[in-house]
Amino acid sequence: QSALTQPASVSGSPGQSISISCTGTSSDIGSYNLVSWYQQHPGKAPKLMIYEGTKRPSGISHRFSGSKSGNTASLTISGLQPEDEADYYCCSYAGTSVYLFGLGTKVTVL
Amino acid sequence: QVQLVESGGGVVQPGRSLRLSCAASGFTFNSCGMHWVRQAPGKGLEWVAVIWSDGSNKYYGDSLKGRFTISRDNSKNTLYLQMNSLRADDTAVYYCARGTTMVGATIDYWGQGTLVAVAP
Repeated sequence: QSALTQPASVSGSPGQSISISCTGTSSDIGSYNLVSWYQQHPGKAPKLMIYEGTKRPSGISHRFSGSKSGNTASLTISGLQPEDEADYYCCSYAGTSVYLFGLGTKVTVL
Repeated sequence: QVQLVESGGGVVQPGRSLRLSCAASGFTFNSCGMHWVRQAPGKGLEWVAVIWSDGSNKYYGDSLKGRFTISRDNSKNTLYLQMNSLRADDTAVYYCARGTTMVGATIDYWGQGTLVAVAP
């Protein structure tokens, strides 16, 4: 079981759109529609932003969206805002009740 | 509202044991699979273990098998993590987290975490 691959950092100016990729294998992301994304501010617990690849929990801004193609999932943040600056992690079900996290991406708002 | 409160963390010497607890409230505990996830200082999230809602099945991350044991007491709405033979690289904040189904699945709520520091 290897961690999912994410870019270490992504940046953008306020109002811009950014995307974060999360690459796995045919045994995890490629096989299941169980990719979730979490936002984590420093010193805080993670917060669910996207689940089952594309669904937003109640209360999460429409600026956050998810997608998947093959073995890669993506999180897009539209209309970037200063409060979006945080670490973002993907997570995928990998079969047999095992789960994998990505290494995390630091989003910087310029 | 969903609340998950971890306890039991602290400083422990290498080779010793520690048991973490997570008190759950605000939802039907015995209907949800529960997870432990950890985060080493300055590092990313690492999935540790999941236990099904009725406690019948438990699964672990590859690097943890044999040393850690997840369990639950549905009569007390409490999740546990027994950690044995602790090593320096087990130093992390340990989060208790709720799954959205009886077998775990998506993690939707997290506790605030409890810090475990393994040091001589």
